Amino acid sequence: EAGVVQSPRYKIIEKKQPVAFWCNPISGHNTLYWYLQNLGQGPELLIRYENEEAVDDSQLPKDRFSAERLKGVDSTLKIQPAELGDSAVYLCASSLGETETQYFGPGTRLLVL
Amino acid sequence: GEDVEQSLFLSVREGDSSVINCTYTDSSSTYLYWYKQEPGAGLQLLTYIFSNMDMKQDQRLTVLLNKKDKHLSLRIADTQTGDSAIYFCAERPNDYKLSFGAGTTVTVRA
Repeated sequence: EAGVVQSPRYKIIEKKQPVAFWCNPISGHNTLYWYLQNLGQGPELLIRYENEEAVDDSQLPKDRFSAERLKGVDSTLKIQPAELGDSAVYLCASSLGETETQYFGPGTRLLVL
Repeated sequence: GEDVEQSLFLSVREGDSSVINCTYTDSSSTYLYWYKQEPGAGLQLLTYIFSNMDMKQDQRLTVLLNKKDKHLSLRIADTQTGDSAIYFCAERPNDYKLSFGAGTTVTVRA
């Protein structure tokens, strides 16, 4: 069974540029999560989807971050414009349901110059 | 800031046992997890324990849970070089949200 797929794996951009990350969850997993992992820290939740609905986006900085999961499967996370402090690893995870075990993708490593 | 606390570093000789400790704060946590992160990779689920258990063993891994002290540990028997990684402890209270520690970097030396 394929795991959570993320692309790109690495991204280098200049500040003020836009950037987008893509996630394909494990087949059949209704719940999808985006996490931010800063260097030397554990992941922190940005947003959680149940199917196509964002049920918790309280930690998403909405001035520059946006996310969508239009058909309840794949999801994209966008930053516009990127700032130096956005350099981090962006992890996607999925689970069968909100109370089930979360499985993580390999992450996208973003460097903002 | 983390509600889950872990020591930052552990160095262990190949073949010895490793013990990684974690303390958490939410007594209502129903599940507690151990994830492993190798360099440049995402988080790999290693094992988890339900709050009504005090021990779980899975091959070389043993998880011990002390609910009274809110203390969780992961023991890796016969530690190998491939066990070098960052290990994250995570708690999950009654809702869906995982709260992670900062991770323990385990270095296995020959």
